[in-house]
Amino acid sequence: GAGVSQSPSNKVTEKGKDVELRCDPISGHTALYWYRQSLGQGLEFLIYFQGNSAPDKSGLPSDRFSAERTGGSVSTLTIQRTQQEDSAVYLCASSLWGQGYEQYFGPGTRLTVT
Amino acid sequence: QKEVEQDPGPLSVPEGAIVSLNCTYSNSAFQYFMWYRQYSRKGPELLMYTYSSGNKEDGRFTAQVDKSSKYISLFIRDSQPSDSATYLCAMSATDKLIFGTGTRLQVFP
Repeated sequence: GAGVSQSPSNKVTEKGKDVELRCDPISGHTALYWYRQSLGQGLEFLIYFQGNSAPDKSGLPSDRFSAERTGGSVSTLTIQRTQQEDSAVYLCASSLWGQGYEQYFGPGTRLTVT
Repeated sequence: QKEVEQDPGPLSVPEGAIVSLNCTYSNSAFQYFMWYRQYSRKGPELLMYTYSSGNKEDGRFTAQVDKSSKYISLFIRDSQPSDSATYLCAMSATDKLIFGTGTRLQVFP
């Protein structure tokens, strides 16, 4: 079946602009996760959704970052007033409810802030 | 100190060698331990997960967890050039995963 998909695959934006990153989870997966992978860094947790609610937003680095999920499916990560340090690969993963140990990742969105 | 420590490598081995990849951790609350493989410019791919201590085998891959030492390992038998990738360990106590920084593995023919 179809895996996790993310769009766009690459995004170049100017400092100060807003960007939206999209994630389509595996069908039937009620849990959805966003991570960030910076050069030389490991994957860093950002936020977790169970259905449309976000019980854990502890990884969002600042109030410029927000995410939402609608219909228990597609999620959007929004970064406002982008900064150069936001440049990274943003990865989305999904899993069945209660099976966070079995997360399946999308290909990521490579964000470059110039 | 990071919660999960992983040697970044690179680790370079000849085809057919047994590869040992390791991570240490500090949070005794971790219950699930995962290994992911990541090819360049791709998303991480789940190889296997283990619950609590013990061993788990899947084909050429064996995962070991020693909770008393806070140490996990992934062994790759009969390594192939196609195994060349970055290997990430990950752990969880809740639903979010805490990752190591990854070990880059190169298997040369």
